[in-house]
Amino acid sequence: ETGVTQTPRHLVMGMTNKKSLKCEQHLGHNAMYWYKQSAKKPLELMFVYSLEERVENNSVPSRFSPECPNSSHLFLHLHTLQPEDSALYLCASSQEGTGRTTEAFFGQGTRLTVV
Amino acid sequence: AQKITQTQPGMFVQEKEAVTLDCTYDTSDPSYGLFWYKQPSSGEMIFLIYQGSYDQQNATEGRYSLNFQKARKSANLVISASQLGDSAMYFCAMRPHSGGYQKVTFGTGTKLQVIP
Repeated sequence: ETGVTQTPRHLVMGMTNKKSLKCEQHLGHNAMYWYKQSAKKPLELMFVYSLEERVENNSVPSRFSPECPNSSHLFLHLHTLQPEDSALYLCASSQEGTGRTTEAFFGQGTRLTVV
Repeated sequence: AQKITQTQPGMFVQEKEAVTLDCTYDTSDPSYGLFWYKQPSSGEMIFLIYQGSYDQQNATEGRYSLNFQKARKSANLVISASQLGDSAMYFCAMRPHSGGYQKVTFGTGTKLQVIP
């Protein structure tokens, strides 16, 4: 069982569809993240759920909405997306509040194509 | 504000040779950590190595070592004895010790291709 699991691995959706991406972590971490990775751009942090606090990047459009029902599960709800939203969406988790710098562990990503 | 710069969009290396991937950074934080991740074509970001800004020695993890030069603000990744499976994108990242992981900054990555 891998540390961070994302489903689906690939998703093609029309601009009027509603879909959700799912992420599950089995590492006992207390923070989870959504990143967007577009070609030739640095990873863009979209949302953070850390120690029961939500932090979001103000530049993320409202057509993306996260949900974190518990510390192990994270969703990204998608609706009325645009073609420029096509990208690799990566989920990550980390353990925060330990007093030391820690790395994050990533899932394999969902390759999203908006048509 | 933090910034990570990876100036090599692509690199080639012969199998079994060593390769250095460059990373320079800029930060006003007095204490921070530097990371390298590998991203194969499958998409997963795989953590490779970590260097703390106050660590006295350069970090090593198997065939990976981090050439940390604090005064020059560089944190180059050295891969020794390259293998075909090392072909991937490599990302340098940094994070201040204070604050959560949401303060991590990633570079744009270097695509490494290992040639047989």
